[in-house]
Amino acid sequence: DQQVKQNSPSLSVQEGRISILNCDYTNSMFDYFLWYKKYPAEGPTFLISISSIKDKNEDGRFTVFLNKSAKHLSLHIVPSQPGDSAVYFCAASGSNFGNEKLTFGTGTRLTIIP
Amino acid sequence: DTAVSQTPKYLVTQMGNDKSIKCEQNLGHDTMYWYKQDSKKFLKIMFSYNNKELIINETVPNRFSPKSPDKAHLNLHINSLELGDSAVYFCASSQGTRAGGTDTQYFGPGTRLTVL
Repeated sequence: DQQVKQNSPSLSVQEGRISILNCDYTNSMFDYFLWYKKYPAEGPTFLISISSIKDKNEDGRFTVFLNKSAKHLSLHIVPSQPGDSAVYFCAASGSNFGNEKLTFGTGTRLTIIP
Repeated sequence: DTAVSQTPKYLVTQMGNDKSIKCEQNLGHDTMYWYKQDSKKFLKIMFSYNNKELIINETVPNRFSPKSPDKAHLNLHINSLELGDSAVYFCASSQGTRAGGTDTQYFGPGTRLTVL
């Protein structure tokens, strides 16, 4: 049962343009959402998060948007840079689950074309 | 300085063998985790320890046994390895258990286990 889905396995974007990565979830009990970035041969690193009480969170070039009614979130990167080429994982958590855990999507490989 | 380290980075072994993966964090965190990333790229939690106490134990075969000798270490021992155990195993740590809050999880580089 895949509760967090990233339906695009890969995405290519020209340098300087906007990259938009999408994520859908099915569990309405999720109330916190995160994006992790992963380079080859390294572990995932935290990028940005958003609580369900917000619909937008911004950190520099990175903005996450949350649409609770659609159970959808997206990560916008603008402008995209070559160093942004990586796999991006969406993750979700629920604060009322007791001992909290992260449920991850399968990732989207972003390639920035110079 | 590496915040979360794992050894070995690669592990190739035969079916039926017993192997261990070690994890250490120097962040002073109280909580540590083991994740498995399978061939379909699902990154799924296996175990979580807080202050050396097991707090999350997902549906994992009991051939997998985590051991936390102290807060800075969480090792994973796997008995009677099977082909399906081939995966990348990630260790992670966080200050507390609030995955849905301020307790950001920091991941190690992963251990690629191949069972032949």
